[in-house]
Amino acid sequence: QSVLTQPPSASGTPGQRVTISCSGSSSNIGRNTVNWYQQLPGTAPKLLIYSNNQRPSGVPDRLSGSKSGTSASLAISGLQSEDEADYYCAAWDDSLNGHWVFGGGTKLTVL
Amino acid sequence: QVQLVQSGAEVKNPGASVKVSCKASGYTFTDYSMHWIRLAPGQGLEYLGWINPNSGGTNYAQKFQGRVTMTRDASISTAYMELSSLRSDDTAVYYCARLQMETAYWGQGTLVTVSS
Repeated sequence: QSVLTQPPSASGTPGQRVTISCSGSSSNIGRNTVNWYQQLPGTAPKLLIYSNNQRPSGVPDRLSGSKSGTSASLAISGLQSEDEADYYCAAWDDSLNGHWVFGGGTKLTVL
Repeated sequence: QVQLVQSGAEVKNPGASVKVSCKASGYTFTDYSMHWIRLAPGQGLEYLGWINPNSGGTNYAQKFQGRVTMTRDASISTAYMELSSLRSDDTAVYYCARLQMETAYWGQGTLVTVSS
């Protein structure tokens, strides 16, 4: 049971816009910023979004993030086949001397 | 550039222990905490805990307390994660990572297989 709650799956056709939600609590998302990761099979997670809505260099602007209260979301527009991957949200949790918490992951399928 | 290079794959019997290393380069090792996360087959990312390489202080996830030990050797910029009393459901890829609000650097992962 992950601390952050994500839907297990999402899907869309090429060119569509999809969103992935992430729900937390006052000790994590409610107090701290949210990061989003993409993980492809056999590779380490890649940071896509940090500080709720900021993109590291090299991440296309068709990916965006937002946060409201204790929830966050990742949006991918102009869906492409290479977007098919697992996506995870993460946030720092201030309880228990501080630690990172992750969502259970969302498997995005491009139909 | 920041690099985290982990030790190679391990196969262990149930009940044994495994120790994974993570050698850091490209930055001052003692300036940033090192975190450990695992990915089991069919599961999501699971957080094990962190170590402060400067002080050696640790904070373990409740689920792993009593079974995980994180240490470091600052003289060689290397962090270690040891997991004991291994079970089949500990089979996973274990990652070290330098995680911050604005950046993230991950090791390549170490596959630990627990099987008799």
